[in-house]
Amino acid sequence: GAGVSQSPRYKVAKRGQDVALRCDPISGHVSLFWYQQALGQGPEFLTYFQNEAQLDKSGLPSDRFFAERPEGSVSTLKIQRTQQEDSAVYLCASSLQEGPGGYTFGSGTRLTVV
Amino acid sequence: AQSVTQLDSQVPVFEEAPVELRCNYSSSVSVYLFWYVQYPNQGLQLLLKYLSGSTLVKGINGFEAEFNKSQTSFHLRKPSVHISDTAEYFCAVSGKRAAGNKLTFGGGTRVLVKP
Repeated sequence: GAGVSQSPRYKVAKRGQDVALRCDPISGHVSLFWYQQALGQGPEFLTYFQNEAQLDKSGLPSDRFFAERPEGSVSTLKIQRTQQEDSAVYLCASSLQEGPGGYTFGSGTRLTVV
Repeated sequence: AQSVTQLDSQVPVFEEAPVELRCNYSSSVSVYLFWYVQYPNQGLQLLLKYLSGSTLVKGINGFEAEFNKSQTSFHLRKPSVHISDTAEYFCAVSGKRAAGNKLTFGGGTRVLVKP
């Protein structure tokens, strides 16, 4: 596609429910990032993939958060046993190659945990 | 590690007036610097970036920013704003050796352009 596609656009989860957020990067993009943006704040880094390899997961806030990109294209961010503090917009970004600033961001998935 | 401080959380400005959004950063390594804009319910769009060379960087939509290494600042300016510039603006840095050049963002500055 022409841009980075994220689905669902909105997700409401009951506390304790597991959720899966999907990111379709631009075709051929090697690098893929996930960021978490809480209400009224700037995005915060969660994890980074180069192709299928997860090279940095230092930003994942707990072991309830898990990300994968098994074939080096589509990525899924999974959150187990969701809690209210997980409510945020989850942004995905991709880039053709490793390098500064050439990322295209998706519109995000807004997760609300009730 | 890096950190970014955007000194103004909100900036109201009249249409056709100039605007400056302030950004200061802290880093133990050399950095790349960026400004992004976020319109409501949309992702982030790159306005401009400083990688090296001239410290005055020009971006899209008439925005420019100046890198000041001694003051560790990267302030964003536009000489005349339009209603359509109403949005949230984020300053970000990336360490030059960070894996994949992951970004550290500031808290954002909300710009409200009034007619």
